[in-house]
Amino acid sequence: GAVVSQHPSWVICKSGTSVKIECRSLDFQATTMFWYRQFPKQSLMLMATSNEGSKATYEQGVEKDKFLINHASLTLSTLTVTSAHPEDSSFYICSAQRGDNSPLHFGNGTRLTVT
Amino acid sequence: TQLLEQSPQFLSIQEGENLTVYCNSSSVFSSLQWYRQEPGEGPVLLVTVVTGGEVKKLKRLTFQFGDARKDSSLHITAAQPGDTGLYLCAQTLPPRNFNKFYFGSGTKLNVKP
Repeated sequence: GAVVSQHPSWVICKSGTSVKIECRSLDFQATTMFWYRQFPKQSLMLMATSNEGSKATYEQGVEKDKFLINHASLTLSTLTVTSAHPEDSSFYICSAQRGDNSPLHFGNGTRLTVT
Repeated sequence: TQLLEQSPQFLSIQEGENLTVYCNSSSVFSSLQWYRQEPGEGPVLLVTVVTGGEVKKLKRLTFQFGDARKDSSLHITAAQPGDTGLYLCAQTLPPRNFNKFYFGSGTKLNVKP
């Protein structure tokens, strides 16, 4: 159990366009979902934390107007990269948590390339 | 903010050797988790440790949580090529409304056959 599906697995877009990434918990209800960004050969950097039905909490230095997060239900969170630029190219990973103090379950990530 | 330091950053060893990787924090952990990540995939949870001094074993992997809950180690016995990957520790900080998970800098392990 505890499967998290992330879609798409990879996307290439042109500079200035917006890209939406979906994160779904398939067999459990996720009270909290987290979005991470990972540069090549580096660790995961927490971008934001979202609870269903409330506004996301962004980490320092992460632009909330650029990285829009919508947590529409207990099984779906979306991250939209608006007006993407080449420097936004990265590996974006979501994770979901059943409840406080429970482990994270990760999606397989989305490789975003902005040309 | 990177609160966790992992060492070594890179480790390349021969199959059958033993190794230890470390995770250290300036803050006391609420809990600590170890993950392994393979290229192009999300991290996979290996273990969660909560109690100071706790030791957990997962086949050839031994995880130890420091008494002060500010450090942890992962020891692999008789490493195999299948152990190759990025090993990440993650720290949870006391919640206001929910836990946050912050990851360490990672240890990239390569086990050569």
